[in-house]
Amino acid sequence: DTAVSQTPKYLVTQMGNDKSIKCEQNLGHDTMYWYKQDSKKFLKIMFSYNNKELIINETVPNRFSPKSPDKAHLNLHINSLELGDSAVYFCASSQDEGLGVSNQPQHFGDGTRLSIL
Amino acid sequence: AQSVAQPEDQVNVAEGNPLTVKCTYSVSGNPYLFWYVQYPNRGLQFLLKYITGDNLVKGSYGFEAEFNKSQTSFHLKKPSALVSDSALYFCAVRDRGSTLGRLYFGRGTQLTVWP
Repeated sequence: DTAVSQTPKYLVTQMGNDKSIKCEQNLGHDTMYWYKQDSKKFLKIMFSYNNKELIINETVPNRFSPKSPDKAHLNLHINSLELGDSAVYFCASSQDEGLGVSNQPQHFGDGTRLSIL
Repeated sequence: AQSVAQPEDQVNVAEGNPLTVKCTYSVSGNPYLFWYVQYPNRGLQFLLKYITGDNLVKGSYGFEAEFNKSQTSFHLKKPSALVSDSALYFCAVRDRGSTLGRLYFGRGTQLTVWP
């Protein structure tokens, strides 16, 4: 009965490859997020979707493309992987009450550890 | 500009002693404030939040935090630390009028509790 689940947990691949990470939440939340945590544990938001609509798109290379088929799923596809993409990627979700009114905590998955060889 | 500062990369305390993990913030409006904890190889877990009202908020695992508007601080506290509290702690802030869901995180403070 995991609330936010990500697959795979570990991803080891070579530079230049294309890979996808999947995320699913069973909390009934309408907002989902992707974060990148670097080797120094710094968390940086990448994208946010509300009811399948992109609402936050930080300065992320366009090799990264999120896709939300429905409000319970948010996937992340990465093209032409680079060494600097090595990090832990976290998916999160929250229940938000409308634009500008949002005090609910975010629920995080356990991360996908991406290593580029 | 919104920002969160956690001035200490590491905090070390002995088991049974009180602990404090510091956080200061900067937002253009009134903040929602959060603390999260991250254990090794796990995602962030919500501990507590300040929305409005009483400046002292209580959360999970015996943690509490004090909101101080004049000092723009939201320090995390626990009266008696446990070895199992050892983890990475993140403070986060959201401007009430900000884009939906946009949280700003501090850089994290590694708490180590010695037996």
